[in-house]
Amino acid sequence: DTEVTQTPKHLVMGMTNKKSLKCEQHMGHRAMYWYKQKAKKPPELMFVYSYEKLSINESVPSRFSPECPNSSLLNLHLHALQPEDSALYLCASSQSGDRNNEKLFFGSGTQLSVL
Amino acid sequence: GQQLNQSPQSMFIQEGEDVSMNCTSSSIFNTWLWYKQDPGEGPVLLIALYKAGELTSNGRLTAQFGITRKDSFLNISASIPSDVGIYFCAGHTGANSKLTFGKGITLSVRP
Repeated sequence: DTEVTQTPKHLVMGMTNKKSLKCEQHMGHRAMYWYKQKAKKPPELMFVYSYEKLSINESVPSRFSPECPNSSLLNLHLHALQPEDSALYLCASSQSGDRNNEKLFFGSGTQLSVL
Repeated sequence: GQQLNQSPQSMFIQEGEDVSMNCTSSSIFNTWLWYKQDPGEGPVLLIALYKAGELTSNGRLTAQFGITRKDSFLNISASIPSDVGIYFCAGHTGANSKLTFGKGITLSVRP
């Protein structure tokens, strides 16, 4: 099973709303990632959790707040977003995140629209 | 920083044709990954390469890790309509390096 599950599939929110994106994997992977992807562009790394600890924050604005409740779950809390934050948000996982040759497995993403 | 170059941005082929796309860099990579992405979906891993010169197949797809470690190639044989999508190369350059993505090639297949 190489599945990473993301919910919701689509999300529309206003600039004053608070919402959360959820991600789950049952592959026993210990590293989980959030990426942001604009149309026809490659994914851009936002956050990396390794062994449930935040290991990389790519200078992401504080209106995005990640959380890793356990090794299988990853959340992204959203608050006071801007229209330019509209994008496909991808979750990914890999075996440990400690090595430089790992394969990342992606979820199908949440298409976020900020009005 | 490391950059991966994929060109052209778009490719148009006839169903049944073979197509080859490459990914190049001025930096040495230790791992090459090839992903395919359909509209509104996440990237799906097609092939992973770990050694210079390595040639790996996955059905009609074949990918190679370049001898110089600065490039990789993906070949699709006997294309079919469901091969349509964006193909991204990605790679790691060294210890604790983040995954670098190319800009992707959009493949269209004419029936």
